[in-house]
Amino acid sequence: NAGVMQNPRHLVRRRGQEARLRCSPMKGHSHVYWYRQLPEEGLKFMVYLQKENIIDESGMPKERFSAEFPKEGPSILRIQQVVRGDSAAYFCASSDGHKSEAFFGQGTRLTVV
Amino acid sequence: GESVGLHLPTLSVQEGDNSIINCAYSNSASDYFIWYKQESGKGPQFIIDIRSNMDKRQGQRVTVLLNKTVKHLSLQIAATQPGDSAVYFCAERYNQGGKLIFGQGTELSVKP
Repeated sequence: NAGVMQNPRHLVRRRGQEARLRCSPMKGHSHVYWYRQLPEEGLKFMVYLQKENIIDESGMPKERFSAEFPKEGPSILRIQQVVRGDSAAYFCASSDGHKSEAFFGQGTRLTVV
Repeated sequence: GESVGLHLPTLSVQEGDNSIINCAYSNSASDYFIWYKQESGKGPQFIIDIRSNMDKRQGQRVTVLLNKTVKHLSLQIAATQPGDSAVYFCAERYNQGGKLIFGQGTELSVKP
């Protein structure tokens, strides 16, 4: 049973470009959470999704950021017109929503140059 | 607002000693807590969890203690090994399936 898979592991974008981060949850999990981590800091909640629904997006910046979790395929975190301040590690976690454990992927490290 | 904080940002212990990492939480409605271990360049790894109807839970070499009276959580690691060196985060959740709120982390350094 594969764990949470995130890709790419590393992503370099120039300012103004778009970044797309993908997350495939563990088999049987229908709940996905995205977090952002700056160096030497903790994980900051961004958004919580179930299949085809956004449940809690209280941590998402109002502009340029969006997330989806379609019926088929991975969850996508999309950042439009990236700026240097978007450089961070972005982690995805999944759970089955009944048991409460959430398991994390290895993250995508976004660097904006 | 809600927050989860850690008392000590760094902890250095000798190999073989026991380690205790502390965490304070502010939301009395939190009913579920998790400890994660994060090694450099990797994602957080689940260590152990505890529900608010318990005050102690043991795993392999790890024990989590929950004191709801003072809203305090601790992680005890027995016979600490060099492989335990990492940053440890506590996280809380106050509704099933909802988001986890993380603290800043404690860096554990194990000296051989």
